[in-house]
Amino acid sequence: GAVVSQHPSWVICKSGTSVKIECRSLDFQATTMFWYRQFPKQSLMLMATSNEGSKATYEQGVEKDKFLINHASLTLSTLTVTSAHPEDSSFYICSAREGRVTREQYFGPGTRLTVT
Amino acid sequence: QQQVKQSPQSLIVQKGGISIINCAYENTAFDYFPWYQQFPGKGPALLIAIRPDVSEKKEGRFTISFNKSAKQFSLHIMDSQPGDSATYFCAASRRQREGGGADGLTFGKGTHLIIQP
Repeated sequence: GAVVSQHPSWVICKSGTSVKIECRSLDFQATTMFWYRQFPKQSLMLMATSNEGSKATYEQGVEKDKFLINHASLTLSTLTVTSAHPEDSSFYICSAREGRVTREQYFGPGTRLTVT
Repeated sequence: QQQVKQSPQSLIVQKGGISIINCAYENTAFDYFPWYQQFPGKGPALLIAIRPDVSEKKEGRFTISFNKSAKQFSLHIMDSQPGDSATYFCAASRRQREGGGADGLTFGKGTHLIIQP
């Protein structure tokens, strides 16, 4: 149980274009989903928190107009990187939590974004 | 400000030995402390987690020791195996105020563990 998937697993796009990444909880309903970013050989940094049906809460320093997050259902959250630039190239990982009481976060396999 | 400090950065342990990774936190509002294992190119996998009301938790070969007064916690991997070679992250989170769910996780910088056969 507690399986989270992401799609695509990797994507290459040209500078200035937009890319959408999907995060799905496969066997549970995710009240809250989180988006993290990880640079090579570095730690994970929280970007934003999204609760189903509500606007996402962004961490300090994360541009909300650049990283659009939508949590339209209890099993799906999307992250859209708008007007991507090479510095946006990174490993984007989502996690999901079931309910508001449980604390366990289960992570997806990540999406490698390369902007050329 | 790094809220969760993890050490060592890298660790080499012989097969069958005990791997020990340490973390220290600063924010006393943290009340949930998980450990994650990550293989290259993969997402982190939850190993074990602890709340501050207990001093130790064991699951199989993995044990968390927690010292609330010192604001430190550690992961012990007993009988370490080559398949345990990975990057390990400690993390912490706090419950949001006003009845909301918990915050996202604050991660340590990670420990690259190598188990030599």
